[in-house]
Amino acid sequence: GAGVSQSPRYKVAKRGQDVALRCDPISGHVSLFWYQQALGQGPEFLTYFQNEAQLDKSGLPSDRFFAERPEGSVSTLKIQRTQQEDSAVYLCASTDGSSYEQYFGPGTRLTVT
Amino acid sequence: RKEVEQDPGPFNVPEGATVAFNCTYSNSASQSFFWYRQDCRKEPKLLMSVYSSGNEDGRFTAQLNRASQYISLLIRDSKLSDSATYLCVVNLLGNQGGKLIFGQGTELSVKP
Repeated sequence: GAGVSQSPRYKVAKRGQDVALRCDPISGHVSLFWYQQALGQGPEFLTYFQNEAQLDKSGLPSDRFFAERPEGSVSTLKIQRTQQEDSAVYLCASTDGSSYEQYFGPGTRLTVT
Repeated sequence: RKEVEQDPGPFNVPEGATVAFNCTYSNSASQSFFWYRQDCRKEPKLLMSVYSSGNEDGRFTAQLNRASQYISLLIRDSKLSDSATYLCVVNLLGNQGGKLIFGQGTELSVKP
């Protein structure tokens, strides 16, 4: 079946621009996670949804970062007034809740110039 | 101090070699443990879960020492296709919602 998809795959933004990154989880997956992966580092947790409820946003680095999942399926990560330090790969993962395995999407590579 | 620490490598080994990766974690409340594999410019994929009793999947063996908060991965008879970054991962249960905490990753390069 279809895996997790993310769009766009690549995004170049000028410093100060707003960006929106989309994640389509595997159909029926209740839990959705966003991670940020800087070059040469492991992914770092940003936020977590169970259905439409955002249960943990402790990893969001600043109030410029905002995530939503209004209908409990597709999620959007929005970054306002992008800064160069926001350049990273943003990974989305989903799980059906019956196991700990998280299925990752291909990521969105964001470059802020 | 990072919650999960790994030697970033790179480990450069010849085909057929045995290679071992180690990892330590700081949170004693960690409940689940994994090794993920990440190919260059790709997403992480689960390689195997790690159990206290140790577990094996073909050429791969994983071990967990809860007392020392130490996780290991052994790869026997390395193949060229094993070249990748190996991520040590822990998971905290409860209201943390199962978020994964990743190490920096250990890069492996298997040469002919």
